[in-house]
Amino acid sequence: GQQVMQIPQYQHVQEGEDFTTYCNSSTTLSNIQWYKQRPGGHPVFLIQLVKSGEVKKQKRLTFQFGEAKKNSSLHITATQTTDVGTYFCAGNPYNFNKFYFGSGTKLNVKP
Amino acid sequence: KAGVTQTPRYLIKTRGQQVTLSCSPISGHRSVSWYQQTPGQGLQFLFEYFSETQRNKGNFPGRFSGRQFSNSRSEMNVSTLELGDSALYLCASSLTLARSFNEQYFGPGTRLTVT
Repeated sequence: GQQVMQIPQYQHVQEGEDFTTYCNSSTTLSNIQWYKQRPGGHPVFLIQLVKSGEVKKQKRLTFQFGEAKKNSSLHITATQTTDVGTYFCAGNPYNFNKFYFGSGTKLNVKP
Repeated sequence: KAGVTQTPRYLIKTRGQQVTLSCSPISGHRSVSWYQQTPGQGLQFLFEYFSETQRNKGNFPGRFSGRQFSNSRSEMNVSTLELGDSALYLCASSLTLARSFNEQYFGPGTRLTVT
């Protein structure tokens, strides 16, 4: 079954509002990666989290890895129209040899 | 450094035919993974090749196969095409095995339509 669940599926926000997408795994992850796919484009690597409780920031983006290494979140502060796209998490469970991608959260930002 | 390239970019085939897609990884990258992306199923892992050997495989039927050459270029083959095989096929390259904490660089994809 699905190893990594991601919610919400869609999010519509007004420019300037915040946005958060969540990933949950049924098993402990050795690491998790986040990707962004612009409409008509391909996934582009954003960041990787490895340590329990890790928090990383990239300008307005904040990435967190849960203490149990089973969940992760991506938070965007004060969204801009350039943030439009689908955000995917990809988890690598221990004892598995592949990444499981979440279903993605499609973000739409109204100017 | 050139990015990941995939050919062809678009392809239209009929049911029952077979198709071969090609992927050239970033220079120096030795791992190539293939994914199928559809609106309903999202990104689904097909397989990963490293040093010309398949290292990992997703849950796809045997009609889906691949190979990797000594220069790390990879091909993916789908035989006896079905309507449900219509999708965007993405390949991703990484320095070593993707599971080894390496980021994956995706190509632009091949849009396959089966009629």
